[in-house]
Amino acid sequence: DAGVIQSPRHEVTEMGQEVTLRCKPISGHDYLFWYRQTMMRGLELLIYFNNNVPIDDSGMPEDRFSAKMPNASFSTLKIQPSEPRDSAVYFCASSLSPSNQPQHFGDGTRLSIL
Amino acid sequence: AQSVTQLGSHVSVSEGALVLLRCNYSSSVPPYLFWYVQYPNQGLQLLLKYTTGATLVKGINGFEAEFKKSETSFHLTKPSAHMSDAAEYFCAVSSDTGGFKTIFGAGTRLFVKA
Repeated sequence: DAGVIQSPRHEVTEMGQEVTLRCKPISGHDYLFWYRQTMMRGLELLIYFNNNVPIDDSGMPEDRFSAKMPNASFSTLKIQPSEPRDSAVYFCASSLSPSNQPQHFGDGTRLSIL
Repeated sequence: AQSVTQLGSHVSVSEGALVLLRCNYSSSVPPYLFWYVQYPNQGLQLLLKYTTGATLVKGINGFEAEFKKSETSFHLTKPSAHMSDAAEYFCAVSSDTGGFKTIFGAGTRLFVKA
């Protein structure tokens, strides 16, 4: 079975550019999560969706970040404009349940903003 | 509010020795508990989970964990470490209340010496 697929795996861009990260969840999973991982702050939940609807975006750091889920098989996380402090590994995960089922993680996008 | 504390950001063991990674949680409602493993340049993978029932939970790669409600602990053990166990390990807690968020610990990096 295909797992969670993220693209690109690596992204290097200059400050001020728009960045779009993509995620394809596991088919049948109703919940999709976006996380950011850094050495300083660890793993942070940014936003999660249930049936394509954003449920909790309290972890989105600021208005420069936005996330969409236009259908059950695709989600994007966009940063515009990007800043060097946005450099991190961004993970997408999907799950059958938000609580008592495990989350299945993609391999992440390593983002470097110069 | 729920929280997770992993004792020790780094643990070093010799190959063949017992692995013990400590996790304590805080939750006002019955928790669901998880251990995940992260290898370099990969996403988190589920090792094992506790939801209900038997408090001793067996996972993949010879790992197991025991839910101890009285001690609010969910420590991860493996009788004999292998070089391939070197990775970062995350304990996580969730529940059916509190916004359904899964809270991840800060992680413990396991080093295995030959």
